[in-house]
This record gives sequence, structure tokens and C-alpha cells, in this order.
Amino acid sequence: GAVVSQHPSWVICKSGTSVKIECRSLDFQATTMFWYRQFPKQSLMLMATSNEGSKATYEQGVEKDKFLINHASLTLSTLTVTSAHPEDSSFYICSAAGGNQPQHFGDGTRLSIL
Amino acid sequence: TQLLEQSPQFLSIQEGENLTVYCNSSSVFSSLQWYRQEPGEGPVLLVTVVTGGEVKKLKRLTFQFGDARKDSSLHITAAQPGDTGLYLCAGAPFWAGGTSYGKLTFGQGTILTVHP
Repeated sequence: GAVVSQHPSWVICKSGTSVKIECRSLDFQATTMFWYRQFPKQSLMLMATSNEGSKATYEQGVEKDKFLINHASLTLSTLTVTSAHPEDSSFYICSAAGGNQPQHFGDGTRLSIL
Repeated sequence: TQLLEQSPQFLSIQEGENLTVYCNSSSVFSSLQWYRQEPGEGPVLLVTVVTGGEVKKLKRLTFQFGDARKDSSLHITAAQPGDTGLYLCAGAPFWAGGTSYGKLTFGQGTILTVHP
């Protein structure tokens, strides 16, 4: 079946650095990718929706300059957390949709900012 | 804004018991998906229900979509410790025509713990 690969799965970095997370659809063309944030034992919170070749649409309250999203190809979207701080520590999950495929999720990235 | 109320939020039961998780909304959805998520992993799609009144079975799991496409339920028969996890319902907006291109509205999730 269709697979979405997310990398890295876990990252620890110092406060003030920028972190890039990649989301790849491995065997289908993802015209739309979604980025979510999840806190422990809670549901997914949609951060932004990205369509290939166009600017991402951010949900209310999500800082677009803080969370940069690029969807340059039909198989790759990236989320960059700029100047990360401890409050940005969380579990970030991407999902991809396209063609006849239902929305498939990556395995998530655990981000820890020291 | 579409909302999806999922209940219960927590469920702790013994192996062999039955349980039902509910998702309710005042909005109509073109389809509704159920996911199961384990700690440190992404959600895994269990089923998609599309037709009002539809019932789908996946081994011991039974999924139902309400006639009006506003609510859904997940029933697990004879729960096992391997069923432990976070269960999420998610509705697709009607304008998306049943596809997944539109934003999914997620319920709050149900943390299920099945004790041996």
C-alpha cells in the first residue's frame, strides 16, 4: 500500500537552532500534504495545508514565519521550525493525499528543544 | 467550523469486554475515517465509511456511519491487550466529495487500555 515517510523520527537540538522535517510520499503523487502537531495523549492539531507549487495555508494561531512549509514537488514537503525554543517541543506528523489515495500519515517526528 | 465530539476520552477495561466509542457532530461529513495510533507512531487508517447507514466490520471491530452522516461509532467485541491505543475519528468535509483532499476534522481521541 501507499506509504508516507517522515524524517527524522527524533531530533534533539539546542534552543535557537532551526530544524527541518521532511515528509515524502513514496509511491503516489501527493497533491496535498498536511502538517499536524500532537501533544501527549491528545488528538492531532492541524497546523497547515500545503498544495504542491503554492503557498501553504496556515491554521489560525500558527505562525507562518515560525513554521516554514515548502511543497516543491509532488512527493516532498518540508516543515522548518525556525529559531526553535523549548515550547516548540512536540510530536509533529505529516500526512499526504492525492489521486485515489486516502490520507496517509507519516510516523511522526519527536522534536525536543533543550 | 466543523466539530467532532468523540467520547469517551479514556477507557480502561479488562480483556474480553466489549466497548463502543462514539463520534458526534452537528455537521454533515462526506466520509468518516477511523484511525488507531500507538505511542511514537503516526495514525494508521482502520476504515473509511462513506454511505449513510453504512456498517463495516474488521474482525472484532464494527464501524457504523449514521444515516445523516453526522455521527459514527466504533464497537470492539472481546477486547484484547493488543487493541490498546489511541483511537481517532476524522470527518472529511462535504465539499471534498468524499476524497481526502480537504482538511480532516479530528475528534479528541479515545485512549483505550485493555488489561490482561
